[in-house]
Amino acid sequence: DTEVTQTPKHLVMGMTNKKSLKCEQHMGHRAMYWYKQKAKKPPELMFVYSYEKLSINESVPSRFSPECPNSSLLNLHLHALQPEDSALYLCASSQDPGFDSANYGYTFGSGTRLTVV
Amino acid sequence: AQKVTQAQTEISVVEKEDVTLDCVYETRDTTYYLFWYKQPPSGELVFLIRRNSFDEQNEISGRYSWNFQKSTSSFNFTITASQVVDSAVYFCALSSGNTPLVFGKGTRLSVIA
Repeated sequence: DTEVTQTPKHLVMGMTNKKSLKCEQHMGHRAMYWYKQKAKKPPELMFVYSYEKLSINESVPSRFSPECPNSSLLNLHLHALQPEDSALYLCASSQDPGFDSANYGYTFGSGTRLTVV
Repeated sequence: AQKVTQAQTEISVVEKEDVTLDCVYETRDTTYYLFWYKQPPSGELVFLIRRNSFDEQNEISGRYSWNFQKSTSSFNFTITASQVVDSAVYFCALSSGNTPLVFGKGTRLSVIA
């Protein structure tokens, strides 16, 4: 299994809702990432988990709450989002955190397209 | 800090033309990795190539070729005999040290039949 699976593919939520995005990989990768991509913009890093611990938080607002329950699963909990949070949320994984991760490459999921109304 | 510049925002070519997408990068690290990704309208990021800083050999894969020049900090991507299916946004990206991928702003390529 060489994939990163993201669910749901599409999500529409109100500003008072609570929802979660899910990301799963079974490649034994120990680093997982959340990226946010606004329309016509490049992906921007949000969070990095290394060995199931949060290692990088790129000053993301607290209405986004990541969670890594185990080495295969990464969640992004959403609460009280704003319309400007509408974007494509991409999950990625790499074999090992740190420099060697680039040597092995990154595998991206197909993303969750989120619309906040 | 790492930075990737893709100066071409949008390119439009007629099918069968060759097209080169430019990428210039900045990093203080001596060891780093450069990537190209393709993003079709469906949204997924499709990995095309990874190159480390010690390997300046150019690479060819079918109609795709990459020219890596450390002297000019460039990692350009050429599509030969372009096809409509090549229409997408192409991102150049850099990873060095412990910093995950940093993307350029992307180049939107439109290939017209």
